[in-house]
Amino acid sequence: TQLLEQSPQFLSIQEGENLTVYCNSSSVFSSLQWYRQEPGEGPVLLVTVVTGGEVKKLKRLTFQFGDARKDSSLHITAAQPGDTGLYLCAGEGVETSGSRLTFGEGTQLTVNP
Amino acid sequence: DVKVTQSSRYLVKRTGEKVFLECVQDMDHENMFWYRQDPGLGLRLIYFSYDVKMKEKGDIPEGYSVSREKKERFSLILESASTNQTSMYLCASSLLVDTGSGAFFGQGTRLTVV
Repeated sequence: TQLLEQSPQFLSIQEGENLTVYCNSSSVFSSLQWYRQEPGEGPVLLVTVVTGGEVKKLKRLTFQFGDARKDSSLHITAAQPGDTGLYLCAGEGVETSGSRLTFGEGTQLTVNP
Repeated sequence: DVKVTQSSRYLVKRTGEKVFLECVQDMDHENMFWYRQDPGLGLRLIYFSYDVKMKEKGDIPEGYSVSREKKERFSLILESASTNQTSMYLCASSLLVDTGSGAFFGQGTRLTVV
């Protein structure tokens, strides 16, 4: 079983602060995805990173895939209350048939006004 | 607008009952997944399917079975519900080879077994 460890599990910050969430594994993934989940809803994809060392930006969010494709980080600049939610990383492992997504435990982010 | 639809938002069932959770997607995706989500444990994969009538065990398949008779529909079956199966159940679908679009999730079914 491929495992993903996310840290921190909980994060409470003030509006305007910066933060970084980490996603680490001992396994290599073909891609790594970041999702955001609101209460009572399913996760929604934010970004997919595929190439080792890849950096993607989505407005104030910056995603990085480690060179060895085992880890990733999500950095939020000048956090807003609207960024509050559960952030999940997921690694895609290619099986001999189909592919499966393995999720980390999630980071619950609260941004206080 | 792409969609994954789960048949129920909330369910309450009795211990020992056979429970069916239904999921339908309209994106012609090959992969479909069932996860359960519990506080502090994240999403844990129960079963997934990459084609009609094909299924693969995930990390926690015990006490569950699945059925995929049609490409768009993936059912999760709790053969004899137990209280430790009280959880949020999430269905998802994705392309067989990901092109960056990731997985699309349903809204979840919160199951309570009493």
